[in-house]
Amino acid sequence: DAGVTQSPTHLIKTRGQQVTLRCSPKSGHDTVSWYQQALGQGPQFIFQYYEEEERQRGNFPDRFSGHQFPNYSSELNVNALLLGDSALYLCASSLWDRGTGELFFGEGSRLTVL
Amino acid sequence: QKEVEQDPGPLSVPEGAIVSLNCTYSNSAFQYFMWYRQYSRKGPELLMYTYSSGNKEDGRFTAQVDKSSKYISLFIRDSQPSDSATYLCAMSADSGGYQKVTFGIGTKLQVIP
Repeated sequence: DAGVTQSPTHLIKTRGQQVTLRCSPKSGHDTVSWYQQALGQGPQFIFQYYEEEERQRGNFPDRFSGHQFPNYSSELNVNALLLGDSALYLCASSLWDRGTGELFFGEGSRLTVL
Repeated sequence: QKEVEQDPGPLSVPEGAIVSLNCTYSNSAFQYFMWYRQYSRKGPELLMYTYSSGNKEDGRFTAQVDKSSKYISLFIRDSQPSDSATYLCAMSADSGGYQKVTFGIGTKLQVIP
């Protein structure tokens, strides 16, 4: 049973560039959430996708956008990168109908902005 | 004030000790309480999940929730060096499918052999 997979695992960008991160949810899951985890901090909720729509959003600017595809996989896009965007970006999958907050995380994509 | 408060540690204990990890929260709407374990440079892994108040035991791990005090705990018995990791408490409200999970900062635990 494949768990949550994310790509790429590491990447380096410069300020002002754009980045796209990808996620495939755990088999059978239909909901994808994205979290940002800065060094020494807990994960911060960015947004959640279900049925190809953004359902809920945390306190992140519009530079952060996403997409969910019919096969439930998802992308996170960040435009006009800032130094402060350097973090581990975590994708988590879950079942919408379960609605309990039980999340299954991938290994994350570590973004460094220079 | 943060919605979820957690002491970042680090917490260092000898092998075999009982470990107590705690979080407090301010949002009375939280109904689901989780503990995640995160090894260095890895994604968080769900350890324990509890709905509302009460206790839940799973092997060496016991989770407690006291909603009246807005306080949750995780106890680890007979701690092992492999338990060395960061432990994140997490909570969410009962809002159907809309699941924004709020995490604590994480407590770094080191179990010394």
